[in-house]
Amino acid sequence: GAVVSQHPSRVICKSGTSVKIECRSLDFQATTMFWYRQFPKKSLMLMATSNEGSKATYEQGVEKDKFLINHASLTLSTLTVTSAHPEDSSFYICSARALGGLFEQYFGPGTRLTVT
Amino acid sequence: KNEVEQSPQNLTAQEGEFITINCSYSVGISALHWLQQHPGGGIVSLFMLSSGKKKHGRLIATINIQEKHSSLHITASHPRDSAVYICAVTRNAGGTSYGKLTFGQGTILTVHP
Repeated sequence: GAVVSQHPSRVICKSGTSVKIECRSLDFQATTMFWYRQFPKKSLMLMATSNEGSKATYEQGVEKDKFLINHASLTLSTLTVTSAHPEDSSFYICSARALGGLFEQYFGPGTRLTVT
Repeated sequence: KNEVEQSPQNLTAQEGEFITINCSYSVGISALHWLQQHPGGGIVSLFMLSSGKKKHGRLIATINIQEKHSSLHITASHPRDSAVYICAVTRNAGGTSYGKLTFGQGTILTVHP
């Protein structure tokens, strides 16, 4: 089956630094990748939709200058949390939709970010 | 009111029991997804369906488009089935909403040995 990886799986960083999270589709090409954030005991919240070769579409209330998304190839999207603060600590999950796929989404294992 | 509602929110069962988790939605959809999230956090897609019924091992998912309702059944439940089960829908709106998932709040399932 289709596999999506995320790196790193866990990261701890100091307040004010930036952190990059990678999302890769390992055995398929993904025209669209989605970035989600999940707070403890809450469901997933869509942050942005990333399309290969174009700018990401951010959901209302998500700061695009804070959460930089780049989808430079059909197998890689990155989320950079800039000038991280403790309130950015969360679980970040990506999903990918295959080239030619309709509604199937394949989820990555997630990245636990802790900002101290 | 949430566009996707799951019930129950919490479910405790004994090993071997038959389990049903329900999902109701209020928007037009192209597909409905059942996802599983274990305590480690990773999400696994169990089913994607737009009509009828699908079966995979001990898991069965059904959907009734007219009633806007889906159920996930687990037969002969096992402690390893303990996880959060999430219902999500792909809305059939066009434009920037295309392909986006709208999530239910999740059902926490605990199966005791």
